[in-house]
Amino acid sequence: AQSVTQPDIHITVSEGASLELRCNYSYGATPYLFWYVQSPGQGLQLLLKYFSGDTLVQGIKGFEAEFKRSQSSFNLRKPSVHWSDAAEYFCAVGARGGGSQGNLIFGKGTKLSVKP
Amino acid sequence: DAGVTQSPTHLIKTRGQQVTLRCSPISGHKSVSWYQQVLGQGPQFIFQYYEKEERGRGNFPDRFSARQFPNYSSELNVNALLLGDSALYLCASSIDPGTGNQPQHFGDGTRLSIL
Repeated sequence: AQSVTQPDIHITVSEGASLELRCNYSYGATPYLFWYVQSPGQGLQLLLKYFSGDTLVQGIKGFEAEFKRSQSSFNLRKPSVHWSDAAEYFCAVGARGGGSQGNLIFGKGTKLSVKP
Repeated sequence: DAGVTQSPTHLIKTRGQQVTLRCSPISGHKSVSWYQQVLGQGPQFIFQYYEKEERGRGNFPDRFSARQFPNYSSELNVNALLLGDSALYLCASSIDPGTGNQPQHFGDGTRLSIL
């Protein structure tokens, strides 16, 4: 069965420090991979996605993620965190083939706090 | 262009009542999916509709139902509400779920509270 694990429930970093949020997935083949961000009381905003090709993908707001097939991981990184990055981050997988399998399975999220 | 719009933004109901939530997709998007997000958890898939037909259903009881209209908007209905149905209900739209590689764009959700 497909699953997504985000090992860190809550992370606190200082403004200007680098960030890495971990995501591991379980899936029989290479899935489609996504990172979403959710601010309090808001919906989900797509940060970046991986479908195929280059394993390092660039997203919005200076975020990037690297797909590592051997580790079944898709970790999110940012070189310098801004106070406005404080939010909850969700990793998700989508099955190739679409149709009824084309929906997203989410991890439980990682809450990011930023210290001034 | 308008994003995914959901209404109402907040709703308070009591146990046993019925509720209808509404979603309008991004213009040009023909697929709508519904997700339930309980506090402290990631969203869980409820339904997907494409061209007015159900394309997928998550592990939710029959009290949950949905439909999609000719203009691609959608409604989610929940009957016989339970306290555990309190959650943020998210709607997402995509162009076409046919290959699974179309990113889903989410609305801000409807916050449903059951008393």
